[in-house]
Amino acid sequence: AQSVTQLDSHVSVSEGTPVLLRCNYSSSYSPSLFWYVQHPNKGLQLLLKYTSAATLVKGINGFEAEFKKSETSFHLTKPSAHMSDAAEYFCVVSDGGSGGYNKLIFGAGTRLAVHP
Amino acid sequence: DVKVTQSSRYLVKRTGEKVFLECVQDMDHENMFWYRQDPGLGLRLIYFSYDVKMKEKGDIPEGYSVSREKKERFSLILESASTNQTSMYLCASLTDRENEQFFGPGTRLTVL
Repeated sequence: AQSVTQLDSHVSVSEGTPVLLRCNYSSSYSPSLFWYVQHPNKGLQLLLKYTSAATLVKGINGFEAEFKKSETSFHLTKPSAHMSDAAEYFCVVSDGGSGGYNKLIFGAGTRLAVHP
Repeated sequence: DVKVTQSSRYLVKRTGEKVFLECVQDMDHENMFWYRQDPGLGLRLIYFSYDVKMKEKGDIPEGYSVSREKKERFSLILESASTNQTSMYLCASLTDRENEQFFGPGTRLTVL
């Protein structure tokens, strides 16, 4: 069965410093992986997705993630944090389409705080 | 752009009331989903539908039912609300041709 572990429930960084949000997954086959962001009182927005093309995936707002099969990781990074990046981030794995659709398995979320 | 709308942003109900949460999408997507979001648990799938009048249980369907009479609309029903159903409810839609789900803004339900 697929599962997702986000290794940090809270991450705090200063504005202008790098961001690293860690995610490990387990999957019995080549998965599709996603990062979603949720700003306060907003719905989830897709940041980026990996679907077996390039292992380094670039997303919106300067975020990127690298798929590392050997480490079963899909960590999210950004070189320089901005105040507007403060939000909750979810790492998500797709179960590959069983039952005619792609069921999503969500991690518990990482809340990112950005300080001036 | 895909738009998924939910009928209420905030809702307060009393224990035992029947509650309807409505979701509408405007992109002719075949699949629609209802999740609940709780702190530390991420999103958990309640029910989904892959076609009109079709529904499948997700991971936590107990205490909920759904209705999909039209392709664009997917309703979540709490037959008799209980305090442990206080949560954020998120609706999503998905086309068969892609694997990205699009989410609505959520309904924060409080059951007193």
